[in-house]
Amino acid sequence: EDKVVQSPLSLVVHEGDTVTLNCSYEVTNFRSLLWYKQEKKAPTFLFMLTSSGIEKKSGRLSSILDKKELSSILNITATQTGDSAIYLCVITNMDTGRRALTFGSGTRLQVQP
Amino acid sequence: EAQVTQNPRYLITVTGKKLTVTCSQNMNHEYMSWYRQDPGLGLRQIYYSMNVEVTDKGDVPEGYKVSRKEKRNFPLILESPSPNQTSLYFCASSLSPVSYNEQFFGPGTRLTVL
Repeated sequence: EDKVVQSPLSLVVHEGDTVTLNCSYEVTNFRSLLWYKQEKKAPTFLFMLTSSGIEKKSGRLSSILDKKELSSILNITATQTGDSAIYLCVITNMDTGRRALTFGSGTRLQVQP
Repeated sequence: EAQVTQNPRYLITVTGKKLTVTCSQNMNHEYMSWYRQDPGLGLRQIYYSMNVEVTDKGDVPEGYKVSRKEKRNFPLILESPSPNQTSLYFCASSLSPVSYNEQFFGPGTRLTVL
């Protein structure tokens, strides 16, 4: 059974801090790892990672996959209060349908002014 | 505007009273699914549909039904809701099951069963 574990479960930082969120996984037939941001509404897509060692970057957010360690990190530099959200890590495998997506329980980030 | 809509957004009901949460998408997507989100458990898939009249169970289908009579609509039916179905529900759609980065989520329905 595919599994995704995110850490920490929750953290509180001050504006301007840099944070690193972790995601580790077990998957039978890896296709990709996705990161989503969820505020008080539906999750919105951030990154899709398929290859090890290649950093994806969008503004102050970046992410990288390590297939050897079966993990990924999501970095946020110079955090702002608008970064407060739950960050979800998702694994996809080569199967279709219900076994294709496995969600982690998320990391709740709170950025204080 | 491309979107997934859900109704209602909030619902408080009592045990045993049948309810339906509607989901509609305007992107001509083939793949639609329902998730529930509970604290500490992340999103868990309830049912999914690969196309019209094609539905299948997800990880937590007990107590739920779905139908896909038209491509755009994928309602979630709770025939006899129970308190353990109190949760936040999301409908999602994508062009195909493998278009994960293009998966669109609805705004969510917060259901409370008393």
